[in-house]
Amino acid sequence: GENVEQHPSTLSVQEGDSAVIKCTYSDSASNYFPWYKQELGKRPQLIIDIRSNVGEKKDQRIAVTLNKTAKHFSLHITETQPEDSAVYFCAASTKGASYDKVIFGPGTSLSVIP
Amino acid sequence: SAVISQKPSRDICQRGTSLTIQCQVDSQVTMMFWYRQQPGQSLTLIATANQGSEATYESGFVIDKFPISRPNLTFSTLTVSNMSPEDSSIYLCSVDTGGYGYTFGSGTRLTVV
Repeated sequence: GENVEQHPSTLSVQEGDSAVIKCTYSDSASNYFPWYKQELGKRPQLIIDIRSNVGEKKDQRIAVTLNKTAKHFSLHITETQPEDSAVYFCAASTKGASYDKVIFGPGTSLSVIP
Repeated sequence: SAVISQKPSRDICQRGTSLTIQCQVDSQVTMMFWYRQQPGQSLTLIATANQGSEATYESGFVIDKFPISRPNLTFSTLTVSNMSPEDSSIYLCSVDTGGYGYTFGSGTRLTVV
């Protein structure tokens, strides 16, 4: 089955700097890659996603890149702010027999230092 | 995107008992997914519930321990049976909102004592 790895497990940046989180996946048939932000005590919230027919997607300060050949994708946050502090999960959606299912990476705890 | 109501939000249960968690979606969805998030960990898929058929369980999860019901296209329940302290986790349901990604319920924080 699908296996998603994520690095680093913790990341600390100064406010205003950029943060990059990298993920790899194992199933070449995976075709949808969402990123979730989870603040303490809250549910995961989708922040951006990318499909396998696209190499890059950007939404304001957040961007995601996908390299299908290498089976890795990355989240880029620019001009970080203290409210970006949270745990970020990458995920890959893999086709089962009759439906897609989302498998999550282990998470990255991001701290933005004011 | 879909809105999911999940309850209870938290519970403290005695070992050996069972707890049923409910998820109600404000629109019809084909699949509902149940995840477990152990303290400080990632989300692990327990099973996928399709209306009108048996749920499909991931490796390491069995129906006797986590029975699931899916009586219609907007509702599902997950029961955690014969609980032990190792079952203490957050349990979340999720649906594919069809273009808006997968959205999650607010979660059920279960503590087994």
